[in-house]
Amino acid sequence: GESVGLHLPTLSVQEGDNSIINCAYSNSASDYFIWYKQESGKGPQFIIDIRSNMDKRQGQRVTVLLNKTVKHLSLQIAATQPGDSAVYFCAENGMIYNQGGKLIFGQGTELSVKP
Amino acid sequence: DSGVTQTPKHLITATGQRVTLRCSPRSGDLSVYWYQQSLDQGLQFLIQYYNGEERAKGNILERFSAQQFPDLHSELNLSSLELGDSALYFCASSPSGMGETQYFGPGTRLLVL
Repeated sequence: GESVGLHLPTLSVQEGDNSIINCAYSNSASDYFIWYKQESGKGPQFIIDIRSNMDKRQGQRVTVLLNKTVKHLSLQIAATQPGDSAVYFCAENGMIYNQGGKLIFGQGTELSVKP
Repeated sequence: DSGVTQTPKHLITATGQRVTLRCSPRSGDLSVYWYQQSLDQGLQFLIQYYNGEERAKGNILERFSAQQFPDLHSELNLSSLELGDSALYFCASSPSGMGETQYFGPGTRLLVL
């Protein structure tokens, strides 16, 4: 069925540490994934994306890893800062379901950064 | 700032009423999406338009409808409102609507009393 799920609903890290947020997806045919950050009272903000022909993609302080064998996606944030505190969502593009550009979102992980 | 604008920011209304939410996509984007975010359901896709035409539909209630106008802005109409319709409603846009990043607006918070 359609589902993208997160393993951990909350994550608390110390400032300066690295954070890892995990996500599982259900459809092995999924070919495009996006990580979003949502701060309180705001809309989801694009962080990084990855297509299924890649295993890893790096941005500024963020890295997304894709393991197609176990249908697992992770977001790594280096040197986590207080400004990184937010809810993080993984999303799967629904094109494979022949449903246009629908995004299927996971439940979200709340990241809390302790100073 | 994503470049997607939504109005109003907040809306308080009563059960049985009808409201219209408005969205303007990023400059150059032809596709608009609507999502509902509630505490118990998370972010749920409602509907997608591309260049004025409906492209994809999610679990959108029959009481809800949307359209995209020639200038590419979109409106989401919610009628016969129920308490359970209280949620955040987000609009997103993308250039072609085909497996690409969607950029989200700030949302409209709807409270039905």
